[in-house]
Amino acid sequence: NAGVTQTPKFQVLKTGQSMTLQCAQDMNHNSMYWYRQDPGMGLRLIYYSASEGTTDKGEVPNGYNVSRLNKREFSLRLESAAPSQTSVYFCASIGLATYEQYFGPGTRLTVT
Amino acid sequence: AQSVSQHNHHVILSEAASLELGCNYSYGGTVNLFWYVQYPGQHLQLLLKYFSGDPLVKGIKGFEAEFIKSKFSFNLRKPSVQWSDTAEYFCAVKTPYGQNFVFGPGTRLSVLP
Repeated sequence: NAGVTQTPKFQVLKTGQSMTLQCAQDMNHNSMYWYRQDPGMGLRLIYYSASEGTTDKGEVPNGYNVSRLNKREFSLRLESAAPSQTSVYFCASIGLATYEQYFGPGTRLTVT
Repeated sequence: AQSVSQHNHHVILSEAASLELGCNYSYGGTVNLFWYVQYPGQHLQLLLKYFSGDPLVKGIKGFEAEFIKSKFSFNLRKPSVQWSDTAEYFCAVKTPYGQNFVFGPGTRLSVLP
């Protein structure tokens, strides 16, 4: 039981490049989330998926797209990376009974 | 704008001192409240949560929090901190609107041995 896994752990992109961050959970959770963490700003919600086949915007969705591929996997795509997207990205999932979020280890992304 | 605020950016304490970290939110209606901890280099872990009932909730590692509805507050407390409590602490609210969660900006706690 790995919990929530994320790949890659680190990534450096040049401005304008694209990439996809992968997230998977093996806890049979319905809801999955993508956050970015920046110093002094806590975690800000980018997108979430309350169930397979649905996605909703969070606080800071601009510049990102998501795909809920199946119940296990929720990917985050940067189509044209910008330096403002330099951040640590966390994926999380929750069980509806407890609303406790289980976080992945994070992806540290630098855009130059 | 609706938000979650944490009063202290950085708190420095000596071991055995008492801790209280403030958290206020601005959402009306029914909310669920959480405190998460992030140890250096690690991901966030749940410390405790409040859904309903007794407004004083106990969590792991000796932490507790008190929900005061009239003050829209959910302050975190620990009677005696240890060096191993050095971490960043985040207050979070599940808003009344769907599955949306909002986190506060975090409070960094440094405990001196």
